[in-house]
Amino acid sequence: GENVEQHPSTLSVQEGDSAVIKCTYSDSASNYFPWYKQELGKRPQLIIDIRSNVGEKKDQRIAVTLNKTAKHFSLHITETQPEDSAVYFCAANSGGSNYKLTFGKGTLLTVNP
Amino acid sequence: SQTIHQWPATLVQPVGSPLSLECTVEGTSNPNLYWYRQAAGRGLQLLFYSVGIGQISSEVPQNLSASRPQDRQFILSSKKLLLSDSGFYLCAWGPRTSTNEQFFGPGTRLTVL
Repeated sequence: GENVEQHPSTLSVQEGDSAVIKCTYSDSASNYFPWYKQELGKRPQLIIDIRSNVGEKKDQRIAVTLNKTAKHFSLHITETQPEDSAVYFCAANSGGSNYKLTFGKGTLLTVNP
Repeated sequence: SQTIHQWPATLVQPVGSPLSLECTVEGTSNPNLYWYRQAAGRGLQLLFYSVGIGQISSEVPQNLSASRPQDRQFILSSKKLLLSDSGFYLCAWGPRTSTNEQFFGPGTRLTVL
């Protein structure tokens, strides 16, 4: 089955700096890659996703890039703010299916004011 | 728009007692439904998923079971809770189409004493 590795497990940045979180996946049939943000005690929220027919997608200060050849994708957050502090999870769909996601173990991002 | 509900929000149960957590979705038909567990400070573990009424797939053999008695209702149960069942239980729904997204409910925090 699909295996998703996520790095780093913790990331601390100064307010205004950029943050990058990277994920690799194992199943070449995967074609959907979402990112979730989970604040302490809350539910994970879908913040951005990318499909295999595009290489990059942006939404204001966040962007995701995908390299299907190397089987890795990354989340980029620019001009970080304290409210960006949370745990971020990457995921990939399993075997190209339309109903199962495999999640990475998460990255705890801390933005210091 | 779609809404997902979970109850109860928090639950404290003694070891050996039964469990029933409920999840309902509004504003959509024929959703895919999921139960995840998140241990403290850990990632998201998929427990069960369902693509239709009465259709349940188990991902991890354990002390829990799931049922889908109605199209938009998903129930997680246990006959006898273990200490290791403590955690944050998240229900999620996704569209039946090939879009892959999953959207999480607010969660139930279960403590087994």
